[in-house]
Amino acid sequence: EVQLVESGGVLVQPGGSLRLSCAASGVSLSDYGMHWVRQAPGKGLEWVSYISARSDVIYYADSVKGRFTITRDNAKNSLHLQMNSLRVEDTAIYYCTSVDVLMHKPTGHWGQGTLVTVSS
Amino acid sequence: VLTQSPATLSLSPGERATLSCRASQSVSIFLAWYQQKPGQAPRLLIYDASNRAAGVPARFSGSGSGTDFTLTISSLEPEDFAVYYCQQRQHWPPLTFGGGTRVEI
Repeated sequence: EVQLVESGGVLVQPGGSLRLSCAASGVSLSDYGMHWVRQAPGKGLEWVSYISARSDVIYYADSVKGRFTITRDNAKNSLHLQMNSLRVEDTAIYYCTSVDVLMHKPTGHWGQGTLVTVSS
Repeated sequence: VLTQSPATLSLSPGERATLSCRASQSVSIFLAWYQQKPGQAPRLLIYDASNRAAGVPARFSGSGSGTDFTLTISSLEPEDFAVYYCQQRQHWPPLTFGGGTRVEI
């Protein structure tokens, strides 16, 4: 069974930093591109960032560009999101999800999410 | 931009639900539908406009291409009351989602 498990979400002050992780089991993440998607409380889904299987293609939403960094460690079957200069509006549940490498078709594999709260 | 309508759909179990997603420019067939229940991650229902994901009941069907897409639930079951999102991958980044349609009893 494929499982993606996010971790690292906590309460942090504005301007602070946080590192989220997404650990995979039952699947080799090196076969997939990976996205981070977030959902603010009571709001819809917002794409955050993408990294290709070999880390050679990386994209960010304008709202996080320059503040967030996506990385992956295929040897450890994990995905990360380094979040710096956090703002109140970054408060959300953060999900990791995978896509196939050729056509970026969604696999349907999502983690359960990790909650990041940015507040003083 | 993906625009979903209606924002809320009030129906009874057994009724047919028709959800719409309109794209501001053609996304070909590269549109997916997700179901989300409170406290849960999104669940992939349909990919590439009309293909049901693994394990998705046959009462869910998707249609459309270009700019107009429809998710149909042929006969609502109690567990189908949730929020539904469409998402396109033709023009990205950014990957974009619609604003969602809430299907309520």
